[in-house]
Amino acid sequence: EAQVTQNPRYLITVTGKKLTVTCSQNMNHEYMSWYRQDPGLGLRQIYYSMNVEVTDKGDVPEGYKVSRKEKRNFPLILESPSPNQTSLYFCASSLRTGTYEQYFGPGTRLTVT
Amino acid sequence: GESVGLHLPTLSVQEGDNSIINCAYSNSASDYFIWYKQESGKGPQFIIDIRSNMDKRQGQRVTVLLNKTVKHLSLQIAATQPGDSAVYFCAENRTGRRALTFGSGTRLQVQP
Repeated sequence: EAQVTQNPRYLITVTGKKLTVTCSQNMNHEYMSWYRQDPGLGLRQIYYSMNVEVTDKGDVPEGYKVSRKEKRNFPLILESPSPNQTSLYFCASSLRTGTYEQYFGPGTRLTVT
Repeated sequence: GESVGLHLPTLSVQEGDNSIINCAYSNSASDYFIWYKQESGKGPQFIIDIRSNMDKRQGQRVTVLLNKTVKHLSLQIAATQPGDSAVYFCAENRTGRRALTFGSGTRLQVQP
């Protein structure tokens, strides 16, 4: 089944404790992206990647890192999480940059206390 | 500032009626628009898209209308069903950007 998977689905952590949210797609998509979703603000893009080893900032990159060492994986790293990063996070992928039909993962709900 | 927004946060319709969800955008450089559906506990799911050189596009039970003069986008769902209950987002792509900008969403509630 073609899909985007994220792990973990739920995470509660404390301020300053580094964490990684994994994202994997099995569709051989070139483009991958991370979004955060907050009430009243919709989906905001954090980082995106147009291909392996090619990443760029989205609209809200502060406090986040990403890497794209393999085509299928695009982990989101929070080096020192803070409470304002409490949010619902989605990973998405699309066949190519410019094909905007993005496939979304199920989401990761992160709480930072 | 530039934004993609929605007129109504919640829309309630009777099962079998047609639904119309509206979206306003402010950037005339936007060349591509998408509607996504998000069910509770799930990620957004692509519904339909339209390019700026089109006024209308139809899918299965859904139609998207684009009015560039007033920068308005709408999603029409025919014969709304309980399974259509979800939050609907419009999103735009601005020429030269490699990212979508999403609106804040409209919740559609279908009453039996």
